[in-house]
Parts: sequence; structure tokens; C-alpha cells
Amino acid sequence: EAQVTQNPRYLITVTGKKLTVTCSQNMNHEYMSWYRQDPGLGLRQIYYSMNVEVTDKGDVPEGYKVSRKEKRNFPLILESPSPNQTSLYFCASSLRTRGGNEQFFGPGTRLTVL
Amino acid sequence: AQKITQTQPGMFVQEKEAVTLDCTYDTSDQSYGLFWYKQPSSGEMIFLIYQGSYDEQNATEGRYSLNFQKARKSANLVISASQLGDSAMYFCAMSPSSGGYQKVTFGTGTKLQVIP
Repeated sequence: EAQVTQNPRYLITVTGKKLTVTCSQNMNHEYMSWYRQDPGLGLRQIYYSMNVEVTDKGDVPEGYKVSRKEKRNFPLILESPSPNQTSLYFCASSLRTRGGNEQFFGPGTRLTVL
Repeated sequence: AQKITQTQPGMFVQEKEAVTLDCTYDTSDQSYGLFWYKQPSSGEMIFLIYQGSYDEQNATEGRYSLNFQKARKSANLVISASQLGDSAMYFCAMSPSSGGYQKVTFGTGTKLQVIP
């Protein structure tokens, strides 16, 4: 089954404790992206990747890191989480051959930073 | 820079009626794509419809159609014959389309509630 998986689905952590949210897709998509969703703000793009070893900042990259060492994986790293990073996080992937392809979204990771 | 504006935080529609969700955009790109996604209360993001900036005809997908007015920079979603299952958040989004997906910008969303 074609899908984007994220782990963990739920996470409660404390300020400053490094964490990684994993994202994996099995559709051989070139493009992958991370978003955060906050009430009243919609989805905001954190980072995106157009292919292996190619990443770029979205609108809200501060406090986050990403890497794309393999085509299928695009982990999101919070080196020193803070309470303002409490949010719902979505990973997504797409073919990049043209801009009209839909993005396939993962189920989301709800992160709480105390 | 890209910007998407959805001015309707919430809307109600009677079951079986049609409803229009507004979306205006701003971009300096000549080639771009516009998307609508649905997010039910269960939380998943569901792709609904796509419109390319050079597409001459408005996109349609079943009960969904996109009313694209390029000069007005609007890309409104029209849902015909509303069903109770249409109750959800709806997000408009855009991305440059020359060279494929790059930066994606979403609006703040419209919460649609369908009344029996």
C-alpha cells in the first residue's frame, strides 16, 4: 500500500531534550516536505527536499533540522525543543515531475513540549 | 513570495445545497499550481483538486470544482450537493509549478459544517 508513515504519532517531551520525528514513503517520490499545523494558522512549511541531499527552508525553519540521505526517508530533528514547538506535524511526499501532482500526507505527529 | 488568503474561518451549508469556499492568492511566479485539501475531524489531509495557472478550463473532480479567475487571483472551491461527510476543514494551497514542486504555501483554512 502506497503510504507516508510518521513515528511517533504522539510525543510529550521536555524543553531541551533532542528528538527526531521520522518520515518514510514507499512511493519513490523525489519531493518530501514537513509542515506544522497550529490553530488559526493553517499549515506552514518547515523544510522541503527536492531529492536526496537537496533540502531547503520553508517559511518556519527556525529550531528545526532535516536531512535527506535516502530517497524514502526525511527525518525532522528538533535539537533543543521549546514549548512554542508544540504543534501537529505532517510529513508529505510527491512526485516532482510537475507541480500538479498531489502531495501524500502522513498521519501526523502531535508533539507537546513542556 | 507566495501568499494564500482564506477569509471565511467558518461556514454553514444545508445538506444538498452547493457551497463556495473562497481563496485568493498572490505570487510573482508566472507558472504556479493551486490546490485544495480537506481535513476531516480525524485529522488526515485529503487532496481534492488541482488547477494549473495555464489551464484554460476550470478543474473539476466529481462534486468539486475550482472556480479559477486568474485576473482576480482567486481560486474558489465549489462543492455541489453538500453531504454530511463534507463537514471538515478545507485548505487552499499553492506552489510554483515550473520545475516541479518547491515551496508550498497554505491558507489558514475554512471550517465547513453541513447541516442536515
